[in-house]
Amino acid sequence: SQQGEEDPQALSIQEGENATMNCSYKTSINNLQWYRQNSGRGLVHLILIRSNEREKHSGRLRVTLDTSKKSSSLLITASRAADTASYFCAPMDSNYQLIWGAGTKLIIKP
Amino acid sequence: EPEVTQTPSHQVTQMGQEVILRCVPISNHLYFYWYRQILGQKVEFLVSFYNNEISEKSEIFDDQFSVERPDGSNFTLKIRSTKLEDSAMYFCASSDIGLLGGYEQYFGPGTRLTVT
Repeated sequence: SQQGEEDPQALSIQEGENATMNCSYKTSINNLQWYRQNSGRGLVHLILIRSNEREKHSGRLRVTLDTSKKSSSLLITASRAADTASYFCAPMDSNYQLIWGAGTKLIIKP
Repeated sequence: EPEVTQTPSHQVTQMGQEVILRCVPISNHLYFYWYRQILGQKVEFLVSFYNNEISEKSEIFDDQFSVERPDGSNFTLKIRSTKLEDSAMYFCASSDIGLLGGYEQYFGPGTRLTVT
């Protein structure tokens, strides 16, 4: 399978703590994108990291990419209740196709 | 901020009926996609569309499915004879090359299709 694999499948933390989600993939990639999905809702694009980048920041989000290990991580700092959602990494392969995993379900406890 | 819109938000249909799901991509985007997500499962790619033709399609996208860009703004997904297993959330997405060739895809809110 070429799909991205997120780890862990579920994560529950206290509000204010940092949340780290990991992703592994198998194919060579053009870039890697992270998306958020609130329950029963649409997919929201969070951040894109190119294959020649190692780290990228956007607000409270920090994404890393290690192409040698075919892995990426998403760090959400100072988590809030509103961050409760499922998070998907979607590597984009050389054909510009997004490859989806099952996601990490993040629960932020108040 | 421009966004992808989809109608209807929820469609209930009987097995064997035809449905058309509609999407209005972001106006200057050139690449269009349909995905589906069965409840509780991962997102599945259906089809991509560029320059008025299908550029890629998955195994799911069989002869029961078709896509069309009937005018300069709409992008539709038709399912000719729906089956129970077609019940899912269907997402439309659009992209452009982007500033650095990233092809970021922007998703609509989805249409929940329920086949009874």
